[in-house]
Amino acid sequence: SQQGEEDPQALSIQEGENATMNCSYKTSINNLQWYRQNSGRGLVHLILIRSNEREKHSGRLRVTLDTSKKSSSLLITASRAADTASYFCATPQEGRDTGRRALTFGSGTRLQVQP
Amino acid sequence: DSGVTQTPKHLITATGQRVTLRCSPRSGDLSVYWYQQSLDQGLQFLIHYYNGEERAKGNILERFSAQQFPDLHSELNLSSLELGDSALYFCASSPSTTDMNTEAFFGQGTRLTVV
Repeated sequence: SQQGEEDPQALSIQEGENATMNCSYKTSINNLQWYRQNSGRGLVHLILIRSNEREKHSGRLRVTLDTSKKSSSLLITASRAADTASYFCATPQEGRDTGRRALTFGSGTRLQVQP
Repeated sequence: DSGVTQTPKHLITATGQRVTLRCSPRSGDLSVYWYQQSLDQGLQFLIHYYNGEERAKGNILERFSAQQFPDLHSELNLSSLELGDSALYFCASSPSTTDMNTEAFFGQGTRLTVV
C-alpha cells in the first residue's frame, strides 16, 4: 500500500494557469519530498520540506506542509506545456524487516498542461 | 543527467528466466535503492543497500535478490520470471544512510518485458 496519496489523480489545465496537487500521508515524518517523472523516464527531485517547515519555494514551485493534518500541497505557478508530467510525493517510511526508513512514494498526479 | 547509470535500458526475456539489472550510483553516494514501477502497483520500494550492507527491505519478492559490491555498484537479480514482473525497475542513490533526509537521484530505469 502507498504511504502518500496524491489528489487529484489527473489534472488538465491551460498554459499560464496554476496547478495544485495535494498529498496525504499516514505516519509521522521528518521530511516530505516531491518528485517529477516525465513519461517512462526517471524521477527528478523537485523539493524537500522538513517537518519543522510550513512552506518552501523553489522557482515557480511552492510546497506547503501541515503535519497536524498529515498533508502537503505542491503549487506550480504560471504553468508551461513543459510541466506536463507525473508528480509524486514521497516520505521516509520504515522498511519491512529492519525498521529502517526508505523513501515511499504516493500514486502520483498526472498533470497535462495544454498549450 | 542524474549521475546514476542503469543498464540495460530495455530487456525482453521469457517466463522462467533469470536476469540481472545493474546500477552505478552517483560518485560519492553510498546508498543505493531499488524500485519497481508498474501500472497497477505504482512505484514500489524493493530494497536499500548502504556501503555494501542491506539496510531496509520493502515489497521485494523472494525470487528477487540484490547486492552492492565494494565499488558501490549494485545488481538486482530477478529469477523465475513471471509475466507480472514486467515493469520499469529504477535504481536511486543518495548520500543519506538512514531516515532519507536528503534527496534521491534516480537512474533512467530498465524496462523489463517478460513474454
